[in-house]
Amino acid sequence: ETGVTQTPRHLVMGMTNKKSLKCEQHLGHNAMYWYKQSAKKPLELMFVYSLEERVENNSVPSRFSPECPNSSHLFLHLHTLQPEDSALYLCASSHLYRQATPEAFFGQGTRLTVV
Amino acid sequence: RKEVEQDPGPFNVPEGATVAFNCTYSNSASQSFFWYRQDCRKEPKLLMSVYSSGNEDGRFTAQLNRASQYISLLIRDSKLSDSATYLCVVNIEGYSTLTFGKGTMLLVSP
Repeated sequence: ETGVTQTPRHLVMGMTNKKSLKCEQHLGHNAMYWYKQSAKKPLELMFVYSLEERVENNSVPSRFSPECPNSSHLFLHLHTLQPEDSALYLCASSHLYRQATPEAFFGQGTRLTVV
Repeated sequence: RKEVEQDPGPFNVPEGATVAFNCTYSNSASQSFFWYRQDCRKEPKLLMSVYSSGNEDGRFTAQLNRASQYISLLIRDSKLSDSATYLCVVNIEGYSTLTFGKGTMLLVSP
């Protein structure tokens, strides 16, 4: 059983749709992350939240909008996506931002297809 | 120059073989090092941290060479279940976000 849970596991959406990805962690961590993994590319960090505040935003298009209502939940709101946004979206969590041992634990991911 | 570089492979080895992966990193401020394993269409999972003195976990041995800025992973007595992509991951001092390599694919055959 994973300590980080993502829903949905699979999502197909049209370019005009609005959808949200959800992540929940049960590990008592206080930093959460969204990563994007496209085919044949390394993991790309999208957003980082520490203590519910966004601390990093790596030039992600505005059609991706994160929300972190508390330290256990993270959302990624999607609207007017493009086909090239199709990818595996991974949520991760870790202990306090800037801690010395920041290994991250991942959710199972949402495989997104934009049609 | 990429921050974390790995040979993408695939490395094709028979069961029982010993296989080694290397990874180089470009930022000398890198402080923490990890190997993650990612199965096909699954999420990455922490395999082991890499300590300066080197560390071993069963059939897996990790080494760090700070002077040359590379990390290695040695797998002894390969099992079919070891087939996966192995991701080299570094953390730069002062930042909690991890930088991932592209991964090295290992295929262990009967």
